Amino acid sequence: EDQVTQSPEALRLQEGESSSLNCSYTVSGLRGLFWYRQDPGKGPEFLFTLYSAGEEKEKERLKATLTKKESFLHITAPKPEDSATYLCAVQPGGGSQGNLIFGKGTKLSVKP
Amino acid sequence: GAVVSQHPSWVICKSGTSVKIECRSLDFQATTMFWYRQFPKQSLMLMATSNEGSKATYEQGVEKDKFLINHASLTLSTLTVTSAHPEDSSFYICSAMTGGGWRELFFGEGSRLTVL
Repeated sequence: EDQVTQSPEALRLQEGESSSLNCSYTVSGLRGLFWYRQDPGKGPEFLFTLYSAGEEKEKERLKATLTKKESFLHITAPKPEDSATYLCAVQPGGGSQGNLIFGKGTKLSVKP
Repeated sequence: GAVVSQHPSWVICKSGTSVKIECRSLDFQATTMFWYRQFPKQSLMLMATSNEGSKATYEQGVEKDKFLINHASLTLSTLTVTSAHPEDSSFYICSAMTGGGWRELFFGEGSRLTVL
């Protein structure tokens, strides 16, 4: 069964304290792994798509990496405005396009 | 990124009434849109795939007569929750694929439905 597990559920950091969020996945063939940011009461905001193991992508203080079993979202020197829930999703190789399987997310809180 | 707009952003209705939620792609044409449902502290769960000009494809366990989906144009899909009950209260989110296909999937702002 295709599955996505994110850890930790919640993460509290001080401003400037770097850390990583984990996304472990089990999927039958991987078309792509997505990272989204979701603010309370809002829809997910696209961050990255990773397609193959070894791939890395960066955007400002965020860097996403991918292996055959998991992905990490590294946050370097976070700021309070980085506080949000970060969602990981995978698209299996089979099935309809756009059928993303989401994890429950990691709620990040960055204190000034 | 591409813009996907949902309306209304929140709605409160009485049990037994029907509620319509709109999903629009503002700056691109979307032949395929998707409807998700999210409960508090839970994952987004795909409900159905909405295809322009044809019937929607529903995921297992989703009642198609309960959640009516219409995709009448390349920029608009609607989700109608019929005879809503309190257990239908949830956060409904749509997404749309741009010309880049599944690689470019953007989400709307979501619609919070509360059924009294």
